[in-house]
Amino acid sequence: DQQVKQNSPSLSVQEGRISILNCDYTNSMFDYFLWYKKYPAEGPTFLISISSIKDKNEDGRFTVFLNKSAKHLSLHIVPSQPGDSAVYFCASGGSTLGRLYFGRGTQLTVWP
Amino acid sequence: ETGVTQTPRHLVMGMTNKKSLKCEQHLGHNAMYWYKQSAKKPLELMFVYNFKEQTENNSVPSRFSPECPNSSHLFLHLHTLQPEDSALYLCASSPPGPGGTEAFFGQGTRLTVV
Repeated sequence: DQQVKQNSPSLSVQEGRISILNCDYTNSMFDYFLWYKKYPAEGPTFLISISSIKDKNEDGRFTVFLNKSAKHLSLHIVPSQPGDSAVYFCASGGSTLGRLYFGRGTQLTVWP
Repeated sequence: ETGVTQTPRHLVMGMTNKKSLKCEQHLGHNAMYWYKQSAKKPLELMFVYNFKEQTENNSVPSRFSPECPNSSHLFLHLHTLQPEDSALYLCASSPPGPGGTEAFFGQGTRLTVV
């Protein structure tokens, strides 16, 4: 049973526009949420996170939104750049769970 | 560079071979993980070690044998693998703290079983 779901395997966006990547989760014990970015042949690298006590966290061009009632989070990238093209993984964890749960990932392609 | 180093980066092995993957971190992290990433699948957690003790084995076949001699090193011993075991194997570590704290990943070992 997949507890973290990224239902869109791919997303294509023009440079300069907004990219919105979505993630849904099922476990109410999750209280910490992260986004990772992965380039081919490399391991995922941490991008941005949010705890359950917030509904928004912003870091430069990247903003993560959390809707706890809907068990949904999203990553907004604005403006999108070709270098943002990568696979983005959503991950969730909880204080009592001890580890992260990952979604399948979404391949973002930003074209000029 | 995340501070988590995996060797080798690429490995091709036959089904009768025995090989080992190595992961090393000197970040002071207490927890280390092996993940498997196959095509079109989510990251699959295989094993978790916390302070050298295995705390989770996610129903991994016995042909994968982990070893954690200390908090800085993690190995994955491989023997009699199957072609479907071909995947990217990722090691990660995370610092002490509540669960869900950021994990740092190595660059992975691309394993091909022939």
